[in-house]
Amino acid sequence: GAVVSQHPSRVICKSGTSVKIECRSLDFQATTMFWYRQFPKQSLMLMATSNEGSKATYEQGVEKDKFLINHASLTLSTLTVTSAHPEDSSFYICSARTPTKDTQYFGPGTRLTVL
Amino acid sequence: GESVGLHLPTLSVQEGDNSIINCAYSNSASDYFIWYKQESGKGPQFIIDIRSNMDKRQGQRVTVLLNKTVKHLSLQIAATQPGDSAVYFCAENISNQGGKLIFGQGTELSVKP
Repeated sequence: GAVVSQHPSRVICKSGTSVKIECRSLDFQATTMFWYRQFPKQSLMLMATSNEGSKATYEQGVEKDKFLINHASLTLSTLTVTSAHPEDSSFYICSARTPTKDTQYFGPGTRLTVL
Repeated sequence: GESVGLHLPTLSVQEGDNSIINCAYSNSASDYFIWYKQESGKGPQFIIDIRSNMDKRQGQRVTVLLNKTVKHLSLQIAATQPGDSAVYFCAENISNQGGKLIFGQGTELSVKP
């Protein structure tokens, strides 16, 4: 149980384009999902908290107009990196919180490379 | 705020030995702690958790110890195997923060056969 998927697993795009990443909880409903970014050899940095049916809460320093988050259902949250630039290249990971406890289960991650 | 490490601490152990990975947390209001294992190129995988009203919890080959007095958490892995090689992160949940987790910097465990 508690399986989270992400799509795509890897994406390469040109500078200036937008990229959408999907995060799905496969066997449970998640009222809250989280988006993280991770650079090589570093820890996970929380970008935003995504609540179903409401606006996402962004961490300090994360541009909400650049990283658009939509949590339209209890099993799906999307992160769109708008007008991507090479410095946005990173490993993006989502997690979903189970409804009965505070445990977060993570997706497999999406490797974004912006050329 | 989030912990960002430029240099991952490393721990190298011989296959079959026990491993102990340590973590210091910062917030006295943290009430729930989780250990995750992350293999290269993959998302973190849940290993074991512990609530602040406990000081020890055991799983299969793993034990988590919590010392609230000194804000210290440890993960013990018994009979370490090559498949245990990964980066291990502790994470703390701060009460009333909407379930947000704060991650430690991580420790890279390397198991020598």
